[in-house]
Parts: sequence; structure tokens; C-alpha cells
Amino acid sequence: AQSVTQLDSHVSVSEGTPVLLRCNYSSSYSPSLFWYVQHPNKGLQLLLKYTSAATLVKGINGFEAEFKKSETSFHLTKPSAHMSDAAEYFCVVSDRSSGGSNYKLTFGKGTLLTVNP
Amino acid sequence: NAGVTQTPKFQVLKTGQSMTLQCAQDMNHNSMYWYRQDPGMGLRLIYYSASEGTTDKGEVPNGYNVSRLNKREFSLRLESAAPSQTSVYFCASSSTGIFFSNQPQHFGDGTRLSIL
Repeated sequence: AQSVTQLDSHVSVSEGTPVLLRCNYSSSYSPSLFWYVQHPNKGLQLLLKYTSAATLVKGINGFEAEFKKSETSFHLTKPSAHMSDAAEYFCVVSDRSSGGSNYKLTFGKGTLLTVNP
Repeated sequence: NAGVTQTPKFQVLKTGQSMTLQCAQDMNHNSMYWYRQDPGMGLRLIYYSASEGTTDKGEVPNGYNVSRLNKREFSLRLESAAPSQTSVYFCASSSTGIFFSNQPQHFGDGTRLSIL
């Protein structure tokens, strides 16, 4: 069965410093992986996705993530945090349901990013 | 440029009351989903509709029913609301959904539901 672990429930950074949000996954097959962002009182917005092409994936707003199969990780980074990056971030894995042909999304529990001035 | 529209945005119910949450998408997507979001739990799938005319249970379907009215609309009904159903409910859609791994989902802004 697939699972997603976001290693930090809360990350706090200063504006202009790097951001690292960590995600580990487990999967029986070859998964697709996504990062979504959720601003207060809003729905989830897709930041980026990995689908077995390049292992370094670039997304919107300067975010990128690197798929490392040997470490089963898909960490999200940004070189320089902006105040507008303050939000909750979700790592998501899409993989086949056990014994089935359908794909299932599994969400991590989220990491709240705080950006201090 | 509406995307996924959910109504209402907020609702307060008493235990035992019923209500229907509405969702509509204008992206011609085949698949639609209902999730609930609780603090520290991430999103959990309640029901999904892979295509018009089909619905299936997700991870937490008890206490809910759904209707895929047409390709655009997918409603979620609480027949007899319970305090444990206090949550934020999100509707989402995707072009091909569960048959392909790489399709992202597009989310509405949510319905915040409190049950007293």
C-alpha cells in the first residue's frame, strides 16, 4: 500500500532564506508525485508534478522538487522565500490501488510554512 | 475562468439535519471527487465519479451519498448530519482521473460545515 510522510508539520523561515519541505513516500509501483499549496480559506493549487520524466521538476513561483528513487523522497525547495509563500503544502502520491487498474491519490498530512519578515 | 465552484461556502447545521453540497466544473473534466479535510489529517477521499454515470466509494464514505447529475455537476449529501462530520469539504475534478497516474486534480475553494 502506498503512503506519504511529510516529515515536518511546521517549518518557519525568514524572508529571503531557502525553503526545504520534506516528503518521503512508499509505493509498490512507479508513482506519480505532486506538490500542492493551500492558502488560507482556499482550495489546493498544483505547484508541480513528477511523472517519470526528468527527476528535477520545476513548478510555479520558483519552487522545484527532486525525485530520488533510492531515498524514496520528493522534497520541495525554493532558493529564497517570499512572504506570499506562507501557506500549507501537501505532498501527494498517485499510484495503482493494490491489485487494481485504477490509480489512487494519497495525501500527506501537510506542512505549514511560516515566513517571517 | 471559474474552474471548480462549490456552494455554499459556509453552513451550520444541527445534528440530524440533512443538506446537499453542490459542485460544478466548467473544464469538461470526466472525473470528479469529494474530499474532507480535518486538522492534521490531510485530505481523505469520500466518494469519486470516474465518469458521468458512475460513482464509487473512497476512504471515508459512511454517512454520505453522492449524485453525478451530469458531466459538470457532482453533489454530496448528508442525510442525517452528525458532529463528526464537521469539516471542510472540497470538490475536485480531473480530465481522466483514476485511469491515469499523472493527472492533477483541480480543487474548489471548499465548504466549511459545522454541525452542532
